[in-house]
Amino acid sequence: EVQLVQSGAELKKPGESLKISCKGSGYSFITYWIAWVRQMPGKGLEWMGIIYPGDSDTRYGPSFQGQVTISVDKSTNTAYLQWSSLKASDTAIYYCARREQQLVGDFYHYYMDVWGKGTTVTVSS
Amino acid sequence: DIQMTQSPSSLSASVGDRVTITCRASQNINNYLAWYQQKPGKAPNILIYAASSLQSGVPSRFSGSGSGTDFTLTISSLQPEDFATYYCQQSYSARLVFGGGTKVEIK
Repeated sequence: EVQLVQSGAELKKPGESLKISCKGSGYSFITYWIAWVRQMPGKGLEWMGIIYPGDSDTRYGPSFQGQVTISVDKSTNTAYLQWSSLKASDTAIYYCARREQQLVGDFYHYYMDVWGKGTTVTVSS
Repeated sequence: DIQMTQSPSSLSASVGDRVTITCRASQNINNYLAWYQQKPGKAPNILIYAASSLQSGVPSRFSGSGSGTDFTLTISSLQPEDFATYYCQQSYSARLVFGGGTKVEIK
């Protein structure tokens, strides 16, 4: 079974660091991009960034560039999202998701086909 | 960056109704558009990609259309399990931006 298993909920204080994880199994981990998506309480989905485990090529959404770091460990099939100094506004659910590609006509189309269950991060003093 | 705007932000409908949700891109994205469904407390689930291609396992009452900047998700006959929030996402650029979401509620 193809799945992404995310690390557990976190309760942190402002200014603390944090690294959450997303472990892939049931497929060739290094050949699919992994994205991170934020969902703040009661709000919509925000695309944070994406990494290719094969070579660690990483892209960030404009709002998240410099605010978080996305990384990967190929040896353990695990992607990571980390903060060096958390803020209360980082309180959210964070999802990882696999990017699938399908050939439609002559072009490849991309979408998130497998999602983790989400990691709830609460930042409060 | 490409911006995605959904309308309405919420709607109320009854079981059996035909429901249409619209998504507009800030620039031409051809047919690089996906639709997702999210139920409370759950991760999103892919419904449609390439604007109109139904993901395997998704009921045929869901359909997508559009190209360029204007897209539509249609649920032909709303079922109780379809009450959820729906999101569009562009895949034309590497930054896969989502729309703001449309919450479908029970009337």
